[in-house]
Amino acid sequence: ETGVTQTPRHLVMGMTNKKSLKCEQHLGHNAMYWYKQSAKKPLELMFVYSLEERVENNSVPSRFSPECPNSSHLFLHLHTLQPEDSALYLCASSSETGGFYGYTFGSGTRLTVV
Amino acid sequence: EDQVTQSPEALRLQEGESSSLNCSYTVSGLRGLFWYRQDPGKGPEFLFTLYSAGEEKEKERLKATLTKKESFLHITAPKPEDSATYLCAGFYSGGSYIPTFGRGTSLIVHP
Repeated sequence: ETGVTQTPRHLVMGMTNKKSLKCEQHLGHNAMYWYKQSAKKPLELMFVYSLEERVENNSVPSRFSPECPNSSHLFLHLHTLQPEDSALYLCASSSETGGFYGYTFGSGTRLTVV
Repeated sequence: EDQVTQSPEALRLQEGESSSLNCSYTVSGLRGLFWYRQDPGKGPEFLFTLYSAGEEKEKERLKATLTKKESFLHITAPKPEDSATYLCAGFYSGGSYIPTFGRGTSLIVHP
């Protein structure tokens, strides 16, 4: 898979578990994003990183914790999740912060919280 | 508040039956209007950006147009492989510089 790679593709976790989602891009992009996609809802922006610094945190609960160790990798650490957090989590990257010239999305991680 | 509204929510077409998807948007401050395609189990794929009223862009059977208050994605003689969800997003100046996405139109093209 080229562009933006997300792992795992599927994840089932209990409410007391701790897990992490991983995203990797080799496009030379400067910005990376986490989005949440739920059925019948628009894409919800969660976090924005520009050159490894967090520039936006869109009122996301603290049970979601992002990490960007370098410009190619982005993680989303999950702990004590709720069933309503079940969704498709998408990672995206763009050449400039904001995605004005378009995002490249990964295929997502389908998360189910039981 | 910025707003992007897509219609219809779902559309079923026969192969070869041309149609259009609509995206209406809040006009004030719009810098760009984006179209993405999303296949089941995949992330959205960038299709077009439109920057000003009157602009048109084409890709295979798809043509995106922009007026002063809405955008259309025209699908000419669709094929089953055009079946997907099509997302529209507005990019606004001022405040957040992140696109505002619509809920999408789910298109199914029957052979």
